[in-house]
Amino acid sequence: SQQGEEDPQALSIQEGENATMNCSYKTSINNLQWYRQNSGRGLVHLILIRSNEREKHSGRLRVTLDTSKKSSSLLITASRAADTASYFCATAKIKAAGNKLTFGGGTRVLVKP
Amino acid sequence: DTAVSQTPKYLVTQMGNDKSIKCEQNLGHDTMYWYKQDSKKFLKIMFSYNNKELIINETVPNRFSPKSPDKAHLNLHINSLELGDSAVYFCASSYKENQPQHFGDGTRLSIL
Repeated sequence: SQQGEEDPQALSIQEGENATMNCSYKTSINNLQWYRQNSGRGLVHLILIRSNEREKHSGRLRVTLDTSKKSSSLLITASRAADTASYFCATAKIKAAGNKLTFGGGTRVLVKP
Repeated sequence: DTAVSQTPKYLVTQMGNDKSIKCEQNLGHDTMYWYKQDSKKFLKIMFSYNNKELIINETVPNRFSPKSPDKAHLNLHINSLELGDSAVYFCASSYKENQPQHFGDGTRLSIL
């Protein structure tokens, strides 16, 4: 299975509600990143959290990282219709050479006005 | 100004043909990537180049050949296209490996 796996696969909420999605991974990481993908567009980087960090904020986004459980969560507060997108976590592993990001399958978020 | 641009945006072609996708970044990044996103949205890395040198080749059929003429460009040539090659191909770049990546808007490849 993939290194990063998001849960749930899909989420539907009303505007103004909070949206929470989770990411689990299997091996030790250097950092974990969250990306957003709007329909028909490329991925956009949202936030990077290092393995020695536990929580990070950026605007309405809050990311947590629990390396003991090998999991991360992304919280979007006070959601807006414009937050409708797919959200992906990506893990960066520690390797001698050829470091790469491994993406999960994404969580599709629908924010209804 | 577009940071990572790839052309064409759409590519419709027949099985057996050869096609190329071009990618350019104006961010001054050292590392560039090609990803394939399937119909279920799974994104899988294909190649990674650092300053024109190939550093990742993820068990991709050798019908796929990347070329990096300089560190701002990474092109992808595909020979003898097959039905299973239908997907969206994304180019991306980053300052260094493991750092945030900037993506192009993708090339939607459809094989008839």
